[in-house]
This record gives sequence, structure tokens and C-alpha cells, in this order.
Amino acid sequence: GNSVTQMEGPVTLSEEAFLTINCTYTATGYPSLFWYVQYPGEGLQLLLKATKADDKGSNKGFEATYRKETTSFHLEKGSVQVSDSAVYFCALYSPDTGNQFYFGTGTSLTVIP
Amino acid sequence: DAEITQSPRHKITETGRQVTLACHQTWNHNNMFWYRQDLGHGLRLIHYSYGVQDTNKGEVSDGYSVSRSNTEDLPLTLESAASSQTSVYFCASSKSSNTGELFFGEGSRLTVL
Repeated sequence: GNSVTQMEGPVTLSEEAFLTINCTYTATGYPSLFWYVQYPGEGLQLLLKATKADDKGSNKGFEATYRKETTSFHLEKGSVQVSDSAVYFCALYSPDTGNQFYFGTGTSLTVIP
Repeated sequence: DAEITQSPRHKITETGRQVTLACHQTWNHNNMFWYRQDLGHGLRLIHYSYGVQDTNKGEVSDGYSVSRSNTEDLPLTLESAASSQTSVYFCASSKSSNTGELFFGEGSRLTVL
């Protein structure tokens, strides 16, 4: 079946530190992979996506590369800001198993000045 | 601008009461979803719909029901609220195509006393 496993949190970093949040997946077929971000008190919003192997998604300084050989989609940012404090969800979408999404448990990030 | 709205944003109710959470989207999306978000579990799918008159059970559907009488709305009903249903509920929608992006409402926080 389909599933997503992501790094346990919470994560606390100082401003300008390097961020990595690990995400691995199990899927049948050819899934698309996503990172969603949830700011305090808000719903989730798409941060970036990749639809096929070796694609790199990027947005707001965040990047993630779809690695089929390691079934991973790790989120990275070179220099985090206080405004990046949020919960980050890795997600998988597989049209081969209906229009359903599979989410990781979320990783809470706090960036301190 | 197209959007997805949920109401109420906050509700407190008592065990055994019936509760309905509303979800309305103006994206004209065929696919709509209800998730609950709980600490340690991330997002779990309750019910989903691929179009008018279509409803399907998700991973945690017991105690919940939905109906889809038009494209825009997917209300979620708790027939007899239980304390275990205290949670934050998110409605989401997506196109029928394989782009896979989900658009989320801002969430409804339900407390069952």
C-alpha cells in the first residue's frame, strides 16, 4: 500500500541555520510527491511538488528532489527564517489508487532569532 | 478569488449531540475530502467524494457521515458526538485531473465535552 514516513519533530533551529526534514515513501505505480506547510492557526497550503523521478520542486527557498532509487523526498532550506516556523507535511498522491493523498505525521519547526 | 471555507471555525458541544461542519468551495472541483488532524497522527482521511451523489469512507469514518448534493458543498455530520472526536477538522478539494494538488480550508476546531 501507499504510505509516507517523515522525520519526527519538533525541530528547533536558529535563524540562518540549514534545514533538512526527511521524508520517505512507499507507493505503487508512479506517485507525485508534495510538501505542504501549515502556519499557526491556518490550513495546509502547498509548498512544493514533484511529479516524476529526479524532478526538483522549489519554492520560497525550499527544495526537495524526488529520488526514486531511495524512495525519498527530503525537504531542505539553506538558511531558515523565523517566518518559516510552521508544521511541514510530506504527502504522496497516486492516481493509480484513486485520487487519494497520503500524509506523513507532520514535523513542527520552530526558528528562533 | 476562488476559495474553500469552513464553518464554524470553533465549536464546543456535548457528548451525544449531533454536529454538522460545513465546507463550501468555489473552485468547482469535483473531489472533496474531510480530514481530522490530531497530534501524533497527522492528517487522517474521514470521508471523500468524487462528485455529486458520490461519497466514500476513509480511514477513520466511524461516527461520521457526509452527503454531496451539489458540487460546492460537502457537510460533515457527527451523528452522536463523542469525546474522541475532539479534533481539528479540515476540508479540502482538488481537481479531477492528475495534478494532485489539494486546496485546504482553514479548519474547524471541535471540542466535545
